[in-house]
Amino acid sequence: DIQMTQSPSTLSASVGERVTITCRASQSISSWLAWYQQKPGKAPKLLIYKASSLESGVPSRFSGSGSGTEFTLTISSLQPDDFAAYYCQQYNSFSYTFGQGTKLEIK
Amino acid sequence: EVQVLESGGGLVQPGGSLRLSCAASGFTFSSYPMSWVRQAPGKGLEWVSAISGSGGRTYYADSVKGRFTVSGDNSKNTLYLQMNSLRAEDTAVYYCAKDRLVRFGGFFDCWGQGTLVTVSS
Repeated sequence: DIQMTQSPSTLSASVGERVTITCRASQSISSWLAWYQQKPGKAPKLLIYKASSLESGVPSRFSGSGSGTEFTLTISSLQPDDFAAYYCQQYNSFSYTFGQGTKLEIK
Repeated sequence: EVQVLESGGGLVQPGGSLRLSCAASGFTFSSYPMSWVRQAPGKGLEWVSAISGSGGRTYYADSVKGRFTVSGDNSKNTLYLQMNSLRAEDTAVYYCAKDRLVRFGGFFDCWGQGTLVTVSS
């Protein structure tokens, strides 16, 4: 199976800051990568697919980039609603796999 | 509105069985692949199983292969996960998730609220 590794595991930041989360795949997955946001007690929400395509309704402050084995999720200016956990997921091949998650905390 | 709603979770003893259901509405259920994704308490997300819209193709994570069976009833717009030989490590919230695309796109645009499965004696 393809392993997905996110960094950092925890990120402390302030409202208005620009933050970046990195996701690395154990082998090339082309651009078959999605990003999700999850708040405590809630289901994940799709933010980005195909590495850089913004899901409908998701604010434009979220952006994704990368291909092959290295990917990033960037939030250009953090809003209070953005403090949550973020997961990357590869769908290049079955079994689909997720990164271990990044918890974005308020500084 | 596109929605999926899981049910069937609960407490079960190790070695026992449980069947989860996921009722879908607001979209053509038979057209979309569906997956089950689980999340152990305080842990990350783990994809468990997927099924094509027609039900003809199924896929499983190695951790559940041979123990879990995914199926769908297109007449009832309902997805199922039959879980046998349950282990403590199967304890998790189980989410039903709709594929974004009508083929196996592999990413999920609609998730249920989850149903908790606890395996314990």
